[in-house]
Amino acid sequence: QVQLVESGGGVVQPGRSLRLSCAASGFTFSVYAMHWVRQAPGKGLEWVAVISYDGMNKYFPDSVKGRFTISRDNPKNTLYLQMNSLRAEDTAVYYCARDSGNYGFFEYWGQGALVTVSS
Amino acid sequence: EIVLTQSPGTLSLSPGERVTLSCRASQSVRSSNLAWYQQKPGQAPRLLIYGASSRATGIPDRFSGSGSGTDFTLTISRLEPEDFAVYYCQQYGSSWTFGQGTKVEIK
Repeated sequence: QVQLVESGGGVVQPGRSLRLSCAASGFTFSVYAMHWVRQAPGKGLEWVAVISYDGMNKYFPDSVKGRFTISRDNPKNTLYLQMNSLRAEDTAVYYCARDSGNYGFFEYWGQGALVTVSS
Repeated sequence: EIVLTQSPGTLSLSPGERVTLSCRASQSVRSSNLAWYQQKPGQAPRLLIYGASSRATGIPDRFSGSGSGTDFTLTISRLEPEDFAVYYCQQYGSSWTFGQGTKVEIK
């Protein structure tokens, strides 16, 4: 069965960096686009980043563009989110999600990793 | 950016009742690229509906989706105790955006 397991969350000071990982199993990782989605405490869902199946194409919303980077290691079946210049408003649970194919809906989700940005 | 507005914000209902949730887009959603997700407290969202009206694998047939263009609806024909949750719509035709969610709570 499809499994997505995030790790790397924690407490970080404003302006610092943090990298999240998402270990994938149960499917052929290298043929699917992958996403990160976040949810601030008590709030709704916000799409954060997408990477194509081969890692060649990446897209971000304006809220994180220039600060966050997404990457993947297909042989290791792992997705990453590098978050730089973190702000208090980046505090959220971060989910990785498998695309339905190529830039579609989010078919499977991980359990999430909490990132808290606080001094 | 396509903005999705869900209504109502909260619904208070009893098990067995029929539920209709609305999702309105600020501009037409290309190719009915509209999905619905269910989220329970402390859990990740779960895909219910994609393509506006197709049920995801394992989703009971009491859940149905409809609509096109800018107006979409999620219907639960008969509420079960496990259906009390927050529901989000999402468009994936032009980047990805979510509605703000509708909470279905026990009356």
